[in-house]
Amino acid sequence: AQSVTQLGSHVSVSEGALVLLRCNYSSSVPPYLFWYVQYPNQGLQLLLKYTSAATLVKGINGFEAEFKKSETSFHLTKPSAHMSDAAEYFCAVSDLWGGSQGNLIFGKGTKLSVKP
Amino acid sequence: KAGVTQTPRYLIKTRGQQVTLSCSPISGHRSVSWYQQTPGQGLQFLFEYFSETQRNKGNFPGRFSGRQFSNSRSEMNVSTLELGDSALYLCASSFDSSLPNQPQHFGDGTRLSIL
Repeated sequence: AQSVTQLGSHVSVSEGALVLLRCNYSSSVPPYLFWYVQYPNQGLQLLLKYTSAATLVKGINGFEAEFKKSETSFHLTKPSAHMSDAAEYFCAVSDLWGGSQGNLIFGKGTKLSVKP
Repeated sequence: KAGVTQTPRYLIKTRGQQVTLSCSPISGHRSVSWYQQTPGQGLQFLFEYFSETQRNKGNFPGRFSGRQFSNSRSEMNVSTLELGDSALYLCASSFDSSLPNQPQHFGDGTRLSIL
């Protein structure tokens, strides 16, 4: 069975500092991996996705993630945090080989705080 | 292009009642998935529909059901509501989730509170 583990339920950084949000996955088949962001009282917005085309994936708002098969990781980074990045971030995995990407398995989420 | 629309945004019910939530996908999208989000359990998959057929189902009791109409709009129903059903219910759509590179687009959810 597939699973996702996000290390750290809360991460706090200063404005302008590096953002690193950790995600490890477990999958018996090549995974499709996603990062979503959720602002208060809103749904999920797709930041970026890994679908085996390239190991370094660039997303919106300056975020990127690197797929490392040997470490089963898909960590999210941003070189310089902005106040507007404060939100909750979710890593998710899906198994297209199971027939559908419509069943996403999410991590527990990481709340990012940005200090001025 | 309008996004995924969920109605209503907020709902208050009492134990034992039933509720129906609605989701209108992005125009042209035929796959609709439903998720439950709670502080304790996080985001959990409920079910997925494609062309009016349930394609996948999560591990939820039979009180949770759904359907999809010919225009791809979807509804989910929860009967005999329990306090633990209080959650944010999210709907997501994609063109066809069986195709590669088809990310899901989420609505803003329906916040259901059970008294």
